[in-house]
This record gives sequence, C-alpha cells and structure tokens, in this order.
Amino acid sequence: DSGVTQTPKHLITATGQRVTLRCSPRSGDLSVYWYQQSLDQGLQFLIQYYNGEERAKGNILERFSAQQFPDLHSELNLSSLELGDSALYFCASSVASQETQYFGPGTRLLVL
Amino acid sequence: GIQVEQSPPDLILQEGANSTLRCNFSDSVNNLQWFHQNPWGQLINLFYIPSGTKQNGRLSATTVATERYSLLYISSSQTTDSGVYFCAVTGTYKYIFGTGTRLKVLA
Repeated sequence: DSGVTQTPKHLITATGQRVTLRCSPRSGDLSVYWYQQSLDQGLQFLIQYYNGEERAKGNILERFSAQQFPDLHSELNLSSLELGDSALYFCASSVASQETQYFGPGTRLLVL
Repeated sequence: GIQVEQSPPDLILQEGANSTLRCNFSDSVNNLQWFHQNPWGQLINLFYIPSGTKQNGRLSATTVATERYSLLYISSSQTTDSGVYFCAVTGTYKYIFGTGTRLKVLA
C-alpha cells in the first residue's frame, strides 16, 4: 500500500458525459501528479500540482482539468468524454517536486 | 523532448534466472525512477536513482547519468516478478515514462 488513495476504483459512463476522479496523497506529500495509461499511448503525464498551485503540464486535453485543494487532495475532471478517453488514470504524490513518486491504485474509466 | 527507450520489450525467464533491463534516455535528466507494474495494474516504486547504484534485496539498479542510461538487475527471479518494468525520467518538470519491459517468469 503506497498510502495514496484514489476513488472510484472503476467508472463506467457514456460518451459526452463528465466525471470526477479523486486522489488523496500520502500524508505529508505536497505534490500530486496525474497520469493516463492507455493501451495505445502508454503512460502519459497529464499535470502536476504542488501545494495547491499548478506546477507542470503534460499532454492534458482541454476537456480535462484538475485542481488541488487546501487539504492537498486533488480532483481530475474529464468532460465531453469520448471513447478514446477509456484508460487507467493514476494519481501519484511526492514530498516535493522531482522527488520519489508513489502511485495510487488507479481509476479504471470505461467510456461506452 | 526527452526520449526514453527501454530494452528488451519482452522477456521470458525461467524461475531462478537473472536478467538485466536497460533504459536509455536522450538528454540530461534530473531524476530517474524504476517502477514495477504488477499483473493487477498496480505501479510499485522500485528505485529513485538519478545516479549511482542502489540495491534492494534481489533487485539492484545503476544509473550512469553522463552516458544517459540506467540498468535494472533482477537476480534469482520469481514468478511474482512478472509484470511490466518502467523507467521514468524527469527533465525540467517533464515526466516521461519509457514503453516498458514486459517480463514473464515461468515456474
């Protein structure tokens, strides 16, 4: 158990819908990262927050957004969902930027 | 951007065998991590190793930053070592994963 929690574990929804994925970092970690893992794209970095502020952006679509709240938990919002958004979404946390990242169990999203 | 290549892409071993996985990266990096993704999808941190050598039980890793590669050694492999091994590098706030080495250890 890495200490990073993600909810829900599984999510099935329809095209065009909006979903929110939630992540709670390890106690004491200030940085949260979001990744997408799909069969054709591999593991892709989406976005990083550090202590509530956006720190780095990767291949995140405009339909996706994220935020980190004062209690350091983070949410990833995915809207106007398409079939291709079906993937495993991981959250990771670290004490500071560019330190060891610990991954949560992931949220498996299926868009039908 | 930084390119990360892992080799071999696939590896099948008999239980008890040793193996070496390689990660090459195309530019200077600030850090490098090795992960194991088990058959249930969980990503487990193995090493944080921007340079030098580290060991943890049957696993060890070496990163030669000046030559832009890292090696992960697995000794006396066990069936529980099966899964996909990823290296991930960080440049300036860019987090990039390699495509992984898929390892299957046969009993």
